[in-house]
Amino acid sequence: KQEVTQIPAALSVPEGENLVLNCSFTDSAIYNLQWFRQDPGKGLTSLLLIQSSQREQTSGRLNASLDKSSGRSTLYIAASQPGDSATYLCAVRIGGATNKLIFGTGTLLAVQP
Amino acid sequence: NAGVTQTPKFQVLKTGQSMTLQCAQDMNHNSMYWYRQDPGMGLRLIYYSASEGTTDKGEVPNGYNVSRLNKREFSLRLESAAPSQTSVYFCASGRLVTGFNEQFFGPGTRLTVL
Repeated sequence: KQEVTQIPAALSVPEGENLVLNCSFTDSAIYNLQWFRQDPGKGLTSLLLIQSSQREQTSGRLNASLDKSSGRSTLYIAASQPGDSATYLCAVRIGGATNKLIFGTGTLLAVQP
Repeated sequence: NAGVTQTPKFQVLKTGQSMTLQCAQDMNHNSMYWYRQDPGMGLRLIYYSASEGTTDKGEVPNGYNVSRLNKREFSLRLESAAPSQTSVYFCASGRLVTGFNEQFFGPGTRLTVL
């Protein structure tokens, strides 16, 4: 059974710092991995999607990497801002025809001004 | 485009009451999903619909039923609500294009069962 773990559960950093969020999964047979952002009381917003054949994806200050063989992904946030404060969730896609996602429990990020 | 919309946003039920959560998407996506989010447990898949006319159980389907009314709409029904169903419910839609697939989420419905 696929399990997704995110460490740390919570992180507080001063504004301007670069930071890394971690995601690990137990079964390397995934189709892709997706990083989401969730603001308090809101739904999920997709940030980056990495196909299983890719090593990384970049969007602005965000860079996500994927190492399928070791079952790990990282989300790198450069020059963090208070507006980056949110919960970050990773999810792996299993099952080709159904697009099922298995979610981690998230990392709560607080960027202090 | 409104994306994925959900109604209601908040709901309080008494144990044993029934209700239907509504979800609609305007992105012409084939697949739709219902998740619940509980503290410390992440999002868990309740039911999904890979295409119009089909539905399948996810990880935690007990106590729920779904209807894929048409391509746009996917509803979740609680026939006899229980306190264990207190949660935040998210609907999502996704597109299955080779090499590119991702899910888009609605704002959620916060349900409390007393």
